[in-house]
Amino acid sequence: GAGVSQSPSNKVTEKGKDVELRCDPISGHTALYWYRQSLGQGLEFLIYFQGNSAPDKSGLPSDRFSAERTGGSVSTLTIQRTQQEDSAVYLCASSSMYLNQPQHFGDGTRLSIL
Amino acid sequence: AQSVAQPEDQVNVAEGNPLTVKCTYSVSGNPYLFWYVQYPNRGLQFLLKYITGDNLVKGSYGFEAEFNKSQTSFHLKKPSALVSDSALYFCAVRLMNTGFQKLVFGTGTRLLVSP
Repeated sequence: GAGVSQSPSNKVTEKGKDVELRCDPISGHTALYWYRQSLGQGLEFLIYFQGNSAPDKSGLPSDRFSAERTGGSVSTLTIQRTQQEDSAVYLCASSSMYLNQPQHFGDGTRLSIL
Repeated sequence: AQSVAQPEDQVNVAEGNPLTVKCTYSVSGNPYLFWYVQYPNRGLQFLLKYITGDNLVKGSYGFEAEFNKSQTSFHLKKPSALVSDSALYFCAVRLMNTGFQKLVFGTGTRLLVSP
């Protein structure tokens, strides 16, 4: 596609429920990143994919968070047993394999935990 | 620790005046530096980058940034601000001990341009 696409754009759910957030990167981009942006905060790195592998998942806050990427394209970030502190905007970005090229961001999923 | 700092939470400027949004960094080696802009309810948009070469980098929408190695700074500038430049600006630096583009972002600076 023309840009990084994320769905849903907004998600409201009850504490304790599981949620799945989807990211469709720019076609041909082998690198994919997930970030979390909390109100008034900068961006917090969560996980990085190169192809279908996740060489760096050091930013995942707890074992309730997981992510996968299939076919070297679409990625899903799953949060199990959501907590109120999980409320944030989750941003996905993709880039080419070259380290000097910028990341391109989707518009994010705004997650609200009631 | 490798980091980036944006010392101003907010910058106010009148339309037509020059603007500067400050960024300083701390990394080992030669840094890869980026500026992004975020409009309400949108993702981050890439403005410009410094990888190597000329210290003055020109980017989108008339923005430019000056890399200063001695001061470890990468301030974003624009000669004449527009009201539509009002947004949240993020500076980012690539961590140099990773094999990929792992970015550390500043906390952001809100730019308000008044008519």
